[in-house]
Amino acid sequence: AQSVTQPDIHITVSEGASLELRCNYSYGATPYLFWYVQSPGQGLQLLLKYFSGDTLVQGIKGFEAEFKRSQSSFNLRKPSVHWSDAAEYFCAVGAAGNNRKLIWGLGTSLAVNP
Amino acid sequence: DGGITQSPKYLFRKEGQNVTLSCEQNLNHDAMYWYRQDPGQGLRLIYYSQIVNDFQKGDIAEGYSVSREKKESFPLTVTSAQKNPTAFYLCASSIIRGPGANVLTFGAGSRLTVL
Repeated sequence: AQSVTQPDIHITVSEGASLELRCNYSYGATPYLFWYVQSPGQGLQLLLKYFSGDTLVQGIKGFEAEFKRSQSSFNLRKPSVHWSDAAEYFCAVGAAGNNRKLIWGLGTSLAVNP
Repeated sequence: DGGITQSPKYLFRKEGQNVTLSCEQNLNHDAMYWYRQDPGQGLRLIYYSQIVNDFQKGDIAEGYSVSREKKESFPLTVTSAQKNPTAFYLCASSIIRGPGANVLTFGAGSRLTVL
């Protein structure tokens, strides 16, 4: 079955600390991979995407993610977290010609301590 | 700037009433989507449309209806048949070809509360 797992429901980090949010997927086709961020009461904003090529992708707001096919993972990282990064983060998986079948993780809520 | 506008931001409804949520986009995207978001349940697809006058049910279409009379507009009606309509509703759009068809642009959402 196709699925996306974000193992951590809540994460709390201190401002300035590094961050890694995990995303594992199960998907039959070659995946397209996405990370979105959602501030409270707002819509989702695309942080970064992977279609093909270089497995380390850079996104907005200083985020990056690495696609590891052997581990079926697409973890999101940031070297130094800012208080404004507190939000909900969603991982999603899609495939060519299949945009309506995006599979979403349940999200990871990030809190940032001052 | 191009984007998606959802209205109203907050909506209260009495049981038994139908309500319609508006979604308008000026991105010239062919595809539009409605998602429902509940705490701890991620995003669930209600309906999607890839062309005017055509739309398909998503995973949780029961109790909802949509129309796509214009490329820019994709309103969602929450009917009285929807047993638990209190939720946050998100509209999104995308192109329909290439890898970018998987890249969704979202509106700011509408929060519906049934009293």
